[in-house]
Amino acid sequence: GAVVSQHPSWVICKSGTSVKIECRSLDFQATTMFWYRQFPKQSLMLMATSNEGSKATYEQGVEKDKFLINHASLTLSTLTVTSAHPEDSSFYICSASSGGDEKLFFGSGTQLSVL
Amino acid sequence: QKEVEQDPGPLSVPEGAIVSLNCTYSNSAFQYFMWYRQYSRKGPELLMYTYSSGNKEDGRFTAQVDKSSKYISLFIRDSQPSDSATYLCAMTNRQFYFGTGTSLTVIP
Repeated sequence: GAVVSQHPSWVICKSGTSVKIECRSLDFQATTMFWYRQFPKQSLMLMATSNEGSKATYEQGVEKDKFLINHASLTLSTLTVTSAHPEDSSFYICSASSGGDEKLFFGSGTQLSVL
Repeated sequence: QKEVEQDPGPLSVPEGAIVSLNCTYSNSAFQYFMWYRQYSRKGPELLMYTYSSGNKEDGRFTAQVDKSSKYISLFIRDSQPSDSATYLCAMTNRQFYFGTGTSLTVIP
């Protein structure tokens, strides 16, 4: 299957700093990428949908100024958690759609811990 | 009513058992159906992908889609301890919808 690379796999940062997470589709062009948040033993919570070259669409309750999403190319989307606080600590996962066949591939996830 | 319903389990079976995982859905427009396996602290991995109704087999895994009943299933034959994970169903009509996931433990 197609490969989606997500980095870093884990990050620890101090409260108030910003953290950037990268999501790359390695062997296909992804016109649409998605960002999720997942708490322990809970399902995926969609945060935003990212389309190449346009502004991301955020789900209700997700602060777009806190979670900045950039989808500058067909193979790269980034999520920046700005001024991170301990309550932002979570597992963040990206996914990318391969297009017409509606297959969705996930990155390996990023565990963010804010001290 | 949720778009996709999935029993969260947990489900615990002995090694070698046949496992049946199921999801129901409400939107008859869904055309593509997927099953993902997620290990702890990892991203979901696409296991099975089916378009419209019917069965699809891949090794020990069989996916079934019954669009008339709005019901999909994943069967795992000869289950192994390495199958212990959370299994997510997903479906799409251009927008993706996920079940909550079923936690499976296969006991050696």
